[in-house]
Amino acid sequence: DSGVTQTPKHLITATGQRVTLRCSPRSGDLSVYWYQQSLDQGLQFLIQYYNGEERAKGNILERFSAQQFPDLHSELNLSSLELGDSALYFCASSVEGDMSYEQYFGPGTRLTVT
Amino acid sequence: TQLLEQSPQFLSIQEGENLTVYCNSSSVFSSLQWYRQEPGEGPVLLVTVVTGGEVKKLKRLTFQFGDARKDSSLHITAAQPGDTGLYLCAGADDYKLSFGAGTTVTVRA
Repeated sequence: DSGVTQTPKHLITATGQRVTLRCSPRSGDLSVYWYQQSLDQGLQFLIQYYNGEERAKGNILERFSAQQFPDLHSELNLSSLELGDSALYFCASSVEGDMSYEQYFGPGTRLTVT
Repeated sequence: TQLLEQSPQFLSIQEGENLTVYCNSSSVFSSLQWYRQEPGEGPVLLVTVVTGGEVKKLKRLTFQFGDARKDSSLHITAAQPGDTGLYLCAGADDYKLSFGAGTTVTVRA
């Protein structure tokens, strides 16, 4: 158990819909990262928040957005969903904002878009 | 195109054999991390290497970071079925952690 929690574990929805994935980092960690893992693209970095502020952006689509709240939990919002958005979405956390710091991954949310 | 190339893509060996997984890039990273991921779970960090030429050992696992900080290898001695999983390398720079596609290792009992 990494100490990072993610909900829900599974999510099935239709194309065009909007969903919200939630992540609670390890106690004491200030930084939250979101990743997408699909069979054809592997594990792709989407976005990072550090102490409530966006710190780094990766391959995140404009239809996707995220935020980190004062209690440090984070949400990833996916809208206008397409079949290709079906993937595992992982949240990770670390103590500091530097990418060199160890990241601890949650168990993931499996999103299926039908 | 993956920034980090891992080889081989798949590896199946018998319990007790040794194996090596490679991670190569044309980019220099401030550090390189190795993770193991089991089906349906998130990646778990095994090690972080920072200094060029660095070698780290974790029980039967030996990790090496290339002198130029562009490549790394993971060597497992006397592999066990519990070593089965997807091994991912990830290179860190200031604002991004880039993952390789991974090597799927299967250790047969």
